[in-house]
Amino acid sequence: SQTIHQWPATLVQPVGSPLSLECTVEGTSNPNLYWYRQAAGRGLQLLFYSVGIGQISSEVPQNLSASRPQDRQFILSSKKLLLSDSGFYLCASLQGGAYNEQFFGPGTRLTVL
Amino acid sequence: DQQVKQNSPSLSVQEGRISILNCDYTNSMFDYFLWYKKYPAEGPTFLISISSIKDKNEDGRFTVFLNKSAKHLSLHIVPSQPGDSAVYFCAASSSGGYQKVTFGTGTKLQVIP
Repeated sequence: SQTIHQWPATLVQPVGSPLSLECTVEGTSNPNLYWYRQAAGRGLQLLFYSVGIGQISSEVPQNLSASRPQDRQFILSSKKLLLSDSGFYLCASLQGGAYNEQFFGPGTRLTVL
Repeated sequence: DQQVKQNSPSLSVQEGRISILNCDYTNSMFDYFLWYKKYPAEGPTFLISISSIKDKNEDGRFTVFLNKSAKHLSLHIVPSQPGDSAVYFCAASSSGGYQKVTFGTGTKLQVIP
């Protein structure tokens, strides 16, 4: 079965500082990978998804970016954080065809002060 | 544009009674629907799913109903237990494209002992 690792688990960063969140996946190969954000009182917002190494699709224009340097590694970055970037960031993996469920990582709680 | 909507942000139910969580969607291309359960500070976990060729899927205490003509699905939990207290997300995907999954905003269920 799949296992998704995310780190760090919690992060407090000042406005204007850079960001790097990492996600790695075990137990599968060539998965689709996703970054979601859950802001306070809101649902899961899809930020980026990737169907393969080096391929990134952005769902929402913002100051975040994503990269997929390896098959099972997905990174979320920012050059300068905004207060509105605070939230709970989730990495997810989907293996196989459309009729499969996503597996989610434990998430990273980001607070921008 | 919210393509998957959960209009009830919260729901309280007595232990032992039925919990009914509702979800509406607007995109007629969606052909696979999922429910996820999420506890605070954790990633969502898959609960149950249904494809558009069915109108009902049952798994233990959980049943999902799909009404394609109304673009509506619901999750029934019976009997409800205190451990069911969590946020429930409805999600939808289509078999074409990049297997993007669109989530609703979630319904917080509280089961009162």
